[in-house]
Amino acid sequence: DAGVIQSPRHEVTEMGQEVTLRCKPISGHDYLFWYRQTMMRGLELLIYFNNNVPIDDSGMPEDRFSAKMPNASFSTLKIQPSEPRDSAVYFCASSPGAHEQFFGPGTRLTVL
Amino acid sequence: AQTVTQSQPEMSVQEAETVTLSCTYDTSESNYYLFWYKQPPSRQMILVIRQEAYKQQNATENRFSVNFQKAAKSFSLKISDSQLGDTAMYFCAFSAAYGNKLVFGAGTILRVKS
Repeated sequence: DAGVIQSPRHEVTEMGQEVTLRCKPISGHDYLFWYRQTMMRGLELLIYFNNNVPIDDSGMPEDRFSAKMPNASFSTLKIQPSEPRDSAVYFCASSPGAHEQFFGPGTRLTVL
Repeated sequence: AQTVTQSQPEMSVQEAETVTLSCTYDTSESNYYLFWYKQPPSRQMILVIRQEAYKQQNATENRFSVNFQKAAKSFSLKISDSQLGDTAMYFCAFSAAYGNKLVFGAGTILRVKS
């Protein structure tokens, strides 16, 4: 299996632009998670899905952030409009429901 | 709410030596899972080891083993025969049995010196 796939690996954008991060989970995994990692706040869970349905989005910072999972093999995290404080590494992870999570390589987002 | 505390921000160890990373957690749950993840400079999060709270036997994966003390809510990671490739940030994480969310500690940076 190829593991969790994220794209792009790096994204540099200007404040106010829309940013879309993409994730392909491991085939057969029922859970998908989006995390944000910063030096100041560490690893934060933003939202997670079970069988394509959002279960807990309490970690989503504000309305500028949205996430979708249109099918079992694809999810997006969108930031619109982006701000410099959104600069971070964003991870996608998937799980077969056994509690352990398998992480993608992350997307490093820089908002200028 | 569950919390995970890693009290050692940074540690270093000589190659081939043994090092122990500390982790404590707070929960009112009786059944849960604990994990150690490794994040090398490549930033990839890699699962190192997993422990189920209902199991008394400490988990072991090759050079990595844990000391799980349920009453003390302690979950330390021992790395034996340290290798340069073990240099990374190590995160302790907790997951309640009834849910699938992971709660992470702040991490410990481990540097293995030659």
